[in-house]
Amino acid sequence: AQSVAQPEDQVNVAEGNPLTVKCTYSVSGNPYLFWYVQYPNRGLQFLLKYITGDNLVKGSYGFEAEFNKSQTSFHLKKPSALVSDSALYFCAVRDDSSYKLIFGSGTRLLVRP
Amino acid sequence: DVKVTQSSRYLVKRTGEKVFLECVQDMDHENMFWYRQDPGLGLRLIYFSYDVKMKEKGDIPEGYSVSREKKERFSLILESASTNQTSMYLCASLRRGVAEQYFGPGTRLTVT
Repeated sequence: AQSVAQPEDQVNVAEGNPLTVKCTYSVSGNPYLFWYVQYPNRGLQFLLKYITGDNLVKGSYGFEAEFNKSQTSFHLKKPSALVSDSALYFCAVRDDSSYKLIFGSGTRLLVRP
Repeated sequence: DVKVTQSSRYLVKRTGEKVFLECVQDMDHENMFWYRQDPGLGLRLIYFSYDVKMKEKGDIPEGYSVSREKKERFSLILESASTNQTSMYLCASLRRGVAEQYFGPGTRLTVT
């Protein structure tokens, strides 16, 4: 069965510091991995995806994510956090045989000034 | 840019009422999805549709039905609303051959 784990309910960082939001997954076939961000009372916005190729994927707003097959992880990173990055972040996975996305429970990122 | 719109941002209904949530996308996407979002549970798939008049159950279809009569529109129906259906409902669409889904702004439904 497919699953996604986001082990941290909340991540706190100071503005200007690097941030990491963790995600691990389980999928039977080749994984398609995604990060989405949700601002208060809004829908989800697509940030980045990994399908194949380079393990380091770059996305919107300066975010990047590293795919690690041996650790089945896809952690979201940013070198220098902004207060405006404060939001709810979701990791999601599907395999290459289905359109069904499985989401993690979400991690709230709080960037303090 | 892909645009996915949902008919209401906030909705309050009474227990037992029939509720319709509408979703429209303007990019001719073949696939459309309905999710509900609850704190600590992430998003869970209710139903999806891969073509007009075609539908498949997701992970939590009980108490819901859907309708897709036109390609751009996907409706979620709560036949008899219950308080445990109070939630945020998100619609998404996906073009065949593309990986990422695009989401609407969500409808926050409260059933009293």
